[in-house]
This record gives sequence, C-alpha cells and structure tokens, in this order.
Amino acid sequence: DAKTTQPPSMDCAEGRAANLPCNHSTISGNEYVYWYRQIHSQGPQYIIHGLKNNETNEMASLIITEDRKSSTLILPHATLRDTAVYYCIVDYGGSQGNLIFGKGTKLSVKP
Amino acid sequence: GAVVSQHPSRVICKSGTSVKIECRSLDFQATTMFWYRQFPKQSLMLMATSNEGSKATYEQGVEKDKFLINHASLTLSTLTVTSAHPEDSSFYICSAPDPDRADNEQFFGPGTRLTVL
Repeated sequence: DAKTTQPPSMDCAEGRAANLPCNHSTISGNEYVYWYRQIHSQGPQYIIHGLKNNETNEMASLIITEDRKSSTLILPHATLRDTAVYYCIVDYGGSQGNLIFGKGTKLSVKP
Repeated sequence: GAVVSQHPSRVICKSGTSVKIECRSLDFQATTMFWYRQFPKQSLMLMATSNEGSKATYEQGVEKDKFLINHASLTLSTLTVTSAHPEDSSFYICSAPDPDRADNEQFFGPGTRLTVL
C-alpha cells in the first residue's frame, strides 16, 4: 500500500503557484520523497525528490517539513500544460525497487 | 535524463490473440524493469518485475502464464499478453531504474494502450 496521503483534486489559476501537499507520517529515516506526474495517456514523468532538505530544480520546488511527516510540491508558475495527476511516493533511495503509486492529486490549471 | 521507450504505443487486437509489448532502455542498461497496468481513472498497479537473465517475479493475482515476460538483454524487456480478452484492455507501462544512480529515480516508458475487441 502507498505510504502517502494526497488530496484527490486541486485547481490552480494559470500563472499562479500550485502548492500540492502530501502526508507521509510513517516515513522512515532513510526513505526519500519522490514526486512524479502523469499527463493524460502518458507514462509518469519524474519531477523531483528529496530526503531532508528542501530541493529545487527547473520544474519545481520540494519543501519537506522538519519532522519529515509531510511535504509540499510547488510549481511556481503553473501553466495549462501542468494539468496532470501528481503522485507523491515514499521509497528507499537505493532500493532499485518498484515505486508504489497511490491515487495522487489531479491538478487542473485553469485559464 | 535517461529514456525508456515502448512499442507499440497503441494496439487493437481480437479476443484470443496474443500481443507483444516491448520496453527498451535507450541510453542505459537496465538489469531490472517493472511492468505496470493502469485501468481508466485508477492508479498504476505493479504487475511484475522483469529481471535480466532470470525469471520474472509476479505480483499476487497476476497470472504468469498469461502475461509472459522476457528480459533477454540489458536494454529490452517484453511483455506478451497471451490469449487476450476484453478485460485485459488497459494501459501498460514499463519503468526502469538506472543502476548507475545512487537514488531510485525511475524512468517510465510512454505506455501502450491495449484494446481487445
């Protein structure tokens, strides 16, 4: 079973920041938080991952709380092409194992 | 980043026929690949783990004789849906971790839409 809890859906206005929350209260010390997204009828796309520190890349920022029990994915300037299902996944960094997908959050970016 | 391809992207077949789906890692060697299935409005569900040079391991409830997996090289895994039926219609997706990376960032193929008539 997925170790994460996400809201089923969110709306965001185009050009605004999209903040997607994720709860992972049972995360263990050596588990990473990964974010993927899936645009309709495509394979999942990697966005970002982190362990303890906040992370930023060209796509998004990841904010992890100090107790690591929750995190927030931030898309700073959402566009219509960011409409997708966003999955927050907890996994051991070096496991090379399969990822367990929960139900994710359906983000709808509206003009 | 690394690239995983799948072929075909879409296939329609008659009930009772077999369909082969290929998953290739294009710029890295994948000793392990994962096959997922996704029904409409649902999340990805792992079907099996494909291991290069050895037998695949299947998740509970997935029939190994119906979903044949072959991982004959470090860049190719195939999933064959044998004697396909309409209930096998789904979106099939493969993924692979890059073994040269320390983390478990997975690279996903674009998916194969199977429709069984």
